[in-house]
Amino acid sequence: AQSVAQPEDQVNVAEGNPLTVKCTYSVSGNPYLFWYVQYPNRGLQFLLKYITGDNLVKGSYGFEAEFNKSQTSFHLKKPSALVSDSALYFCAVEDFNKFYFGSGTKLNVKP
Amino acid sequence: EPEVTQTPSHQVTQMGQEVILRCVPISNHLYFYWYRQILGQKVEFLVSFYNNEISEKSEIFDDQFSVERPDGSNFTLKIRSTKLEDSAMYFCASTLLTEAFFGQGTRLTVV
Repeated sequence: AQSVAQPEDQVNVAEGNPLTVKCTYSVSGNPYLFWYVQYPNRGLQFLLKYITGDNLVKGSYGFEAEFNKSQTSFHLKKPSALVSDSALYFCAVEDFNKFYFGSGTKLNVKP
Repeated sequence: EPEVTQTPSHQVTQMGQEVILRCVPISNHLYFYWYRQILGQKVEFLVSFYNNEISEKSEIFDDQFSVERPDGSNFTLKIRSTKLEDSAMYFCASTLLTEAFFGQGTRLTVV
């Protein structure tokens, strides 16, 4: 069965510092991996995806994610966090047109 | 930019009442979905819809739930007799290939 794990419920980082939000996955076959962000009382916004190709994927708002097949990870990163990045982040895997989401990680960026 | 729109943004209903949540997916998309997010919990798959029929549904999607695409543009989720535990954010999504576009969600509150 496909599954996604986000081991951290919350990540705290100071503005200007690099941030990492962790995600590991378990899929059969080649994974299609995604990151979505959810701001308070809003829907899910697409950030980036990995389908194939370069292991480093660049997405919206300066975010990037690194696909690591040997570690089955797809960590979300940003070199310099902004207070406005504070939100809930979901990692997801897509399998036959169905998305499996992680439990979400709340990112707090302090000024 | 194309977007998935959902109405209403917030619905309050009495237990036992029927509710219909509405969605307008992106026009050239082929797959349509409903997901649910109970407050503070992960986003859960409810049902997928392709070629005018349900292609997959989760164990959450029991007989009180139904979906319909009545006019080729709208995609509705009906809950026949709401329960307190149906209170959640309901997201509609549509996909063409690999990326899912999510609506802003309908917050359903059952009292």
